Amino acid sequence: AQTVTQSQPEMSVQEAETVTLSCTYDTSESDYYLFWYKQPPSRQMILVIRQEAYKQQNATENRFSVNFQKAAKSFSLKISDSQLGDAAMYFCAYRSLGIQGAQKLVFGQGTRLTINP
Amino acid sequence: ETGVTQSPTHLIKTRGQQVTLRCSSQSGHNTVSWYQQALGQGPQFIFQYYREEENGRGNFPPRFSGLQFPNYSSELNVNALELDDSALYLCASSLGTGEWWAPGANVLTFGAGSRLTVL
Repeated sequence: AQTVTQSQPEMSVQEAETVTLSCTYDTSESDYYLFWYKQPPSRQMILVIRQEAYKQQNATENRFSVNFQKAAKSFSLKISDSQLGDAAMYFCAYRSLGIQGAQKLVFGQGTRLTINP
Repeated sequence: ETGVTQSPTHLIKTRGQQVTLRCSSQSGHNTVSWYQQALGQGPQFIFQYYREEENGRGNFPPRFSGLQFPNYSSELNVNALELDDSALYLCASSLGTGEWWAPGANVLTFGAGSRLTVL
């Protein structure tokens, strides 16, 4: 079974600074997807960025980028130019590539990110 | 395009009661999955429905059951409620198996959840 670990329960950063959230995972599969989701106080889980394991290039979405280290099974999220609206719980998630069957996401425990003005 | 909507947003039940939570999937999505998120934890997969059939289940007892309707909306039913069932229940829709090549096929769109408190 796959597992996802986020070792930082809480992080804080000054507005406009850069912060990196860590995530490691365990799997025996060679192809899979990795995601970062953001959950603000409104509770709705919002997709921040995703990475296909077969792609060597790290995904980027505006101020958000990942450092995907497949051999180390590490998938960190970097947020540049942090904004007050980035404050939320961030969850790292894993999904098997399987064509058939459930699109089950395995989530980490989450990291609460605080932005200091 | 409408997103995923869930109802009710909050509800309180007592032990032993039964509850039904509802979810309307995003337009164009044919797959619905349900997750339980206990306070301070990451979501845990309950089950998934694809074209009205359950096609995957997590480690939850049979008293957690569901339905998917022809319009792809869904219900989560929990019987014999226990205190530990208190949680945020999240519904997510996606373009499901069979169309895995389609853009966005592997992206889940979540609703804002239903907060269940069991007393």
